[in-house]
Amino acid sequence: GQNIDQPTEMTATEGAIVQINCTYQTSGFNGLFWYQQHAGEAPTFLSYNVLDGLEEKGRFSSFLSRSKGYSYLLLKELQMKDSASYLCAYHGKAAGNKLTFGGGTRVLVKP
Amino acid sequence: DGGITQSPKYLFRKEGQNVTLSCEQNLNHDAMYWYRQDPGQGLRLIYYSQIVNDFQKGDIAEGYSVSREKKESFPLTVTSAQKNPTAFYLCASSLPSSGALQETQYFGPGTRLLVL
Repeated sequence: GQNIDQPTEMTATEGAIVQINCTYQTSGFNGLFWYQQHAGEAPTFLSYNVLDGLEEKGRFSSFLSRSKGYSYLLLKELQMKDSASYLCAYHGKAAGNKLTFGGGTRVLVKP
Repeated sequence: DGGITQSPKYLFRKEGQNVTLSCEQNLNHDAMYWYRQDPGQGLRLIYYSQIVNDFQKGDIAEGYSVSREKKESFPLTVTSAQKNPTAFYLCASSLPSSGALQETQYFGPGTRLLVL
């Protein structure tokens, strides 16, 4: 099956920048999602990358390199409310409507 | 207000008991999904349905069952065959995917199932 890797945990200071990496197997790749999940709550959609390059949405940006099987989520000007888990999810060509999720990266923002 | 609702928020199961988790959406989405999340882990797909009266097993379907009699509803039953059911259960829905692009999945608030 698909192997998706992302770091388990990251810590950063309020106002700083944090980059969360996600790697996946390139075979049959269609696109990659990023979701934010606060503890005990539902994941909420952040971004969907299909083409190579950087997509910016306010303080959050997502990057994709299809040939390298690599994506990252960049969080700028960190705020305390950004403390959450960030999930990358892979969509493959053969998967129909299914997504395969990584284990999530727990980001802790300190004052 | 359009959205996905799940009930109950917390559910307790006794050993040997079947329990049913509710998921309802009024987004007019054709596709619906059930995921299980264990502490500190990502989401694992249990079952999904792309259209009424049809559903497919996901990666961890054993010990679970579903039905899809109405577009709006996709209940999940955790049977007594599921030996380790304690987890956070998330329901999601999306428009059907067209071509290569995947439609965004939108999640309900989740049900936390605990075994007594």
